[in-house]
Amino acid sequence: GAVVSQHPSWVICKSGTSVKIECRSLDFQATTMFWYRQFPKQSLMLMATSNEGSKATYEQGVEKDKFLINHASLTLSTLTVTSAHPEDSSFYICSARRDGGNTEAFFGQGTRLTVV
Amino acid sequence: GENVEQHPSTLSVQEGDSAVIKCTYSDSASNYFPWYKQELGKRPQLIIDIRSNVGEKKDQRIAVTLNKTAKHFSLHITETQPEDSAVYFCAASRGAAGNKLTFGGGTRVLVKP
Repeated sequence: GAVVSQHPSWVICKSGTSVKIECRSLDFQATTMFWYRQFPKQSLMLMATSNEGSKATYEQGVEKDKFLINHASLTLSTLTVTSAHPEDSSFYICSARRDGGNTEAFFGQGTRLTVV
Repeated sequence: GENVEQHPSTLSVQEGDSAVIKCTYSDSASNYFPWYKQELGKRPQLIIDIRSNVGEKKDQRIAVTLNKTAKHFSLHITETQPEDSAVYFCAASRGAAGNKLTFGGGTRVLVKP
């Protein structure tokens, strides 16, 4: 199947700093990618839909100025957590579906963010 | 928007028994229903999916049924094995690749040897 690669797999940062997470579709093009956050023992909650060449669409309650999304190419989307706080500590996962139809969503391996 | 409810939240079965997880969705325009298995700290992995033009799909020990009229779909795992222990998520989506998946709350399955 298709591969979505996410980097880094884990990161520890100090409170107040920013962290960038990359999501790449390695063998297919994805005009749209999705960013999820997952707290322990909870479901995947969609944060935003990343659109290549245009602004991301954020879900209700997600601060667009805090979670900056850039989708500069058909294979790369980035999520930057700005001014991170301990409550932002979570598992962040991206996913992408191959352009052109009703298809499986492929997930990155996730990024475990710990803010200290 | 779409809302997906999943039950039960936890399920404990004896090895060899069957496990059934049920989901309901709210958006009648949803037409793609995948099931994912997630092990601790790992990415969700697709185990089976169904589209709205069929009512049932089977892959070895795993089957999914869909009732569009009632807007619910179910996952059936037969002859469960300890390696089936994981968290399972259902999801629903409209067709195009640009449409988001909405996930159910998840079911933690424990298969006891």
